[in-house]
Amino acid sequence: QSVLTQPPSASGTPGQRVTISCSGSTSNIGSNYVYWYQKLPGTAPKLLFYRNYQRPSGVPDRFSGSKSGTSASLAISGLRSEDEAEYYCETWDDSLSGPVFGGGTKLAVL
Amino acid sequence: QVQLVQSGAEVKKPGSSVKVSCKASGGTFSSYAASWVRQAPGQGLEWMGGIIPIFGTANYAQKFQGRVTITADESTSTAYMELSSLRSEDTAVYYCARTRYDILTNYLNDAFDIWGQGTVVTVSS
Repeated sequence: QSVLTQPPSASGTPGQRVTISCSGSTSNIGSNYVYWYQKLPGTAPKLLFYRNYQRPSGVPDRFSGSKSGTSASLAISGLRSEDEAEYYCETWDDSLSGPVFGGGTKLAVL
Repeated sequence: QVQLVQSGAEVKKPGSSVKVSCKASGGTFSSYAASWVRQAPGQGLEWMGGIIPIFGTANYAQKFQGRVTITADESTSTAYMELSSLRSEDTAVYYCARTRYDILTNYLNDAFDIWGQGTVVTVSS
């Protein structure tokens, strides 16, 4: 059971907009930055967002991140086949004194 | 640009230990910390612990306390993760990842911005 809750799956067709949610509590998302990672099969995770919505260089602006209260969201617009991957949210948990991940969302591009 | 290069795949017997290395190539860990994150088959990402190499201080997730030891050799810019009393549930891909840390608390509460390629550890009799 992950500390952060994500839907296990999401899907969309090319060109659509998809949103992935990440729900936590006051001890984690509510008081710390949220990070998002993209994980393609057989490869290491790649940082998509830091500090809630900041994109590292090279991440397309089709991707956007947001946070409100104890929840965060990742949105992908203009969906492409190469976006098919697992997406993980992550943040610091003050009660556990360590980073925690969501269970991951597997995105299918139909 | 720093790359993290991990040691190769391991096959271990239940009850034994495994030690995985992570070398910072093209740079050092410098003002960063090194964490270890694993992904078991069909499961999500799980933080195991981390170390600030310049201080040598390690912190561990409660789940792994007493079974994992994370060390670092600043002279070679290499971090190590040793997991003992292996069981079949420890079969996973183990990643090292770089992160900044809070200079006041030493909390590893920033993004994992660079990741190693992963090391497959298989525990089987």
